[in-house]
Amino acid sequence: DQQVKQNSPSLSVQEGRISILNCDYTNSMFDYFLWYKKYPAEGPTFLISISSIKDKNEDGRFTVFLNKSAKHLSLHIVPSQPGDSAVYFCAASGNEYGNKLVFGAGTILRVKS
Amino acid sequence: KAGVTQTPRYLIKTRGQQVTLSCSPISGHRSVSWYQQTPGQGLQFLFEYFSETQRNKGNFPGRFSGRQFSNSRSEMNVSTLELGDSALYLCASSPGTGGGLGTDTQYFGPGTRLTVL
Repeated sequence: DQQVKQNSPSLSVQEGRISILNCDYTNSMFDYFLWYKKYPAEGPTFLISISSIKDKNEDGRFTVFLNKSAKHLSLHIVPSQPGDSAVYFCAASGNEYGNKLVFGAGTILRVKS
Repeated sequence: KAGVTQTPRYLIKTRGQQVTLSCSPISGHRSVSWYQQTPGQGLQFLFEYFSETQRNKGNFPGRFSGRQFSNSRSEMNVSTLELGDSALYLCASSPGTGGGLGTDTQYFGPGTRLTVL
């Protein structure tokens, strides 16, 4: 049973435009969400997180939005750059899970120059 | 501050052997978690150690075990290797100040690529 879903396996965006990556979750006990970026043969790099008490968190070009009622979060990257091309993972955790992160399957982002 | 380091980076073993992987967390971090990444199953949580104690465990067989030392360094052991254990094994560290309530941000190392022949 996939508790964290990233339904788009890939996304292609033009350089300078906005990239929007989506993530849905089914478990209402999740209350902390993170986005990681991963290049091949490297470990995931932390990008940004959001607690369930917020609906938005910004860090530079990255903004994460959380819609608790829809159990949906999204990562916006503006403007997109070729160096952003990577696999993006959404992850969730919560009190019940301790430090266990439950990951989505990932979305491959390609930014074309 | 130095990041999470993992050794070795690559490893080739044969079925039935055992393997030990090592992880050094970010200085000051007390929690270390291990994850397995495979093409079929994605990223899956193995276990978490905090203050030398296993605090959380995923759904993996008992062949997978770990430990943490007083300096927070951690090792993971897989005994009686199977072909399906071929994967990227990732270690993540976090401060541990969240009390294990899931609000710690975890920082990952580069991983150990294990191939079982």
